[in-house]
Amino acid sequence: KNQVEQSPQSLIILEGKNCTLQCNYTVSPFSNLRWYKQDTGRGPVSLTIMTFSENTKSNGRYTATLDADTKQSSLHITASQLSDSASYICVVSDRGLTGGGNKLTFGTGTQLKVEL
Amino acid sequence: NAGVTQTPKFRVLKTGQSMTLLCAQDMNHEYMYWYRQDPGMGLRLIHYSVGEGTTAKGEVPDGYNVSRLKKQNFLLGLESAAPSQTSVYFCASSYGQVGGETQYFGPGTRLLVL
Repeated sequence: KNQVEQSPQSLIILEGKNCTLQCNYTVSPFSNLRWYKQDTGRGPVSLTIMTFSENTKSNGRYTATLDADTKQSSLHITASQLSDSASYICVVSDRGLTGGGNKLTFGTGTQLKVEL
Repeated sequence: NAGVTQTPKFRVLKTGQSMTLLCAQDMNHEYMYWYRQDPGMGLRLIHYSVGEGTTAKGEVPDGYNVSRLKKQNFLLGLESAAPSQTSVYFCASSYGQVGGETQYFGPGTRLLVL
């Protein structure tokens, strides 16, 4: 069964500090891995996407890494801001829903709170 | 360009009542999806559609029905609501079956079944 596990479950950091969120997955056949940000009461928004051949991808202060051999990914947030407070969800895609489209396996998310 | 919108935002139902959740997208996406999000669990796919007039079952389809009569709309129906269907429901859409396409999510519908 495809699974995505994230750690830590929750994290509190001070504004301006860096942090790293972890994602381990067992999804096959692997297509791509995304990190989503979900603000409270909103839908998830894609931050980064990486395919099998990519091992790092940046989006502003967000940098994601992927090790396809160990099936691990991390999301590093630099110089955190209050607006970074959200749930960060790791999502792994495999190839093929019946009839087309990509099936996504969602992690349960890391709840990040940035404080003054 | 509104993206993906969902109606209603919040609803309270009694057990056994029925309702329909509406999802609309203005990005001309072929693929549309309905997910539910429960505490301590990742989003789970209920039903999806790969084009107008087509629907398919996802991971947790029981108790739900869907219809895609127009390309821009995807409806999720609960015929006889149960407390286990209390959840936050998200609709998403994507361009097509290309390995890297992004799913765009709506703001969610919070449903409480008493």
